[in-house]
Amino acid sequence: DVQLVESGGGLVNPGGSLRLSCAASGFIFNTYSMNWVRQAPGKGLEWVASINSGSNYIFYADSMKGRFTISRDNAQKLVYLQMNSLRVEDTAVYHCARGWGCSGGSCYLLDWGQGTLVTVSS
Amino acid sequence: EIVLTQSPGTLSLSPGERATLSCRASQSVNSNHLAWYQQKPGQAPRLLIYGASSRATDIPDRYSGSGSGTDFTLTISRLEPEDFAVYYCQQYGSSPPITFGQGTRLEIK
Repeated sequence: DVQLVESGGGLVNPGGSLRLSCAASGFIFNTYSMNWVRQAPGKGLEWVASINSGSNYIFYADSMKGRFTISRDNAQKLVYLQMNSLRVEDTAVYHCARGWGCSGGSCYLLDWGQGTLVTVSS
Repeated sequence: EIVLTQSPGTLSLSPGERATLSCRASQSVNSNHLAWYQQKPGQAPRLLIYGASSRATDIPDRYSGSGSGTDFTLTISRLEPEDFAVYYCQQYGSSPPITFGQGTRLEIK
């Protein structure tokens, strides 16, 4: 079975940093695009970033550019999201998701992890 | 950036009824690269439909997707109790950003 397990969330002050991890299993990790999608409390889904299998195509939502960095380790089957200069409005559950059927770097999302909660507050 | 608008915001129906959910795009979605997801409280979203009309693995055939260009529909032919949830559409037909609709809440009447 496919499993995506996120970790690294928690409470952080505005302006602080956090690194999220997503551990993947149950599929051939190095053949899939990986994505981060977030959901603020009581709100809808917002795509954050994506990285293709070879880490040579990386994309970010405009509001995350320059603050967030997505990366992956194919040997360890891990994907990361480094978040810097965090703002109160970044408070959300962050899900990692496996992408497929990609077109120009955009994919549909086959499987999702349960997410990890990031709370930005003083 | 393609903006997706879902309607209605909330749909109140009874088990056994037919549900029709709409997703309208601000510009044409290339190659009908549109997906639908279901999300229940406290759970991760689940892929239902991709390519506008292809059902994902293990999705019951009471779920169907249709549409092209800018207008897409998710239909649930006969509602089961487990179908009451929030539904999102998502387009992946162009370079990022990937965008989602704001969601339709399907509630029991």
